[in-house]
Amino acid sequence: GQQVMQIPQYQHVQEGEDFTTYCNSSTTLSNIQWYKQRPGGHPVFLIQLVKSGEVKKQKRLTFQFGEAKKNSSLHITATQTTDVGTYFCAGPRSGAGSYQLTFGKGTKLSVIP
Amino acid sequence: DTEVTQTPKHLVMGMTNKKSLKCEQHMGHRAMYWYKQKAKKPPELMFVYSYEKLSINESVPSRFSPECPNSSLLNLHLHALQPEDSALYLCASSPRWGTGNNQPQHFGDGTRLSIL
Repeated sequence: GQQVMQIPQYQHVQEGEDFTTYCNSSTTLSNIQWYKQRPGGHPVFLIQLVKSGEVKKQKRLTFQFGEAKKNSSLHITATQTTDVGTYFCAGPRSGAGSYQLTFGKGTKLSVIP
Repeated sequence: DTEVTQTPKHLVMGMTNKKSLKCEQHMGHRAMYWYKQKAKKPPELMFVYSYEKLSINESVPSRFSPECPNSSLLNLHLHALQPEDSALYLCASSPRWGTGNNQPQHFGDGTRLSIL
């Protein structure tokens, strides 16, 4: 079935440094979503990308969807301790009529103050 | 604050017990989901309900039995669970399911389940 591969698995950064996580699929995605899960918390929806080459910004967070709609990235500028958590991308499972979301393995971000 | 409420927050049960997890949302969403999440892993879909009907069962063992009494409530009945079923069980909802693009899912805080 459809898999979205996410790298890196872990990222440790000094506060103020930038952070990027990448999500890749072997097939074209109709859309991709990003979620953040704080330690001990639940996934929280961040954004959905639908269009080829789409770029969306939320304050220090920049989300991109590749031209071929097979990859996506989340970039955080000047990380803060509040950015700590695991970031998941999620895409639709492949197959006709399949609407299930498949989550990437996630990137766990640690921010050193 | 989450708009999807799950109870209980923690549950410890023996392998012979019967218990239920409950989920409630009042956002008017017509799709509700159960996910299982093990430590350091992503959420794994278990069931999807759309308009109170079971639409997806991801080959979940019969010791997990979902129920959707109405559009706001979702239950997960547990019976004869195994130690490997210990995990965080997340409920989620979205406005619709099965049409157009996937819709953003709103997750509850989850129930941390431990099987002794």
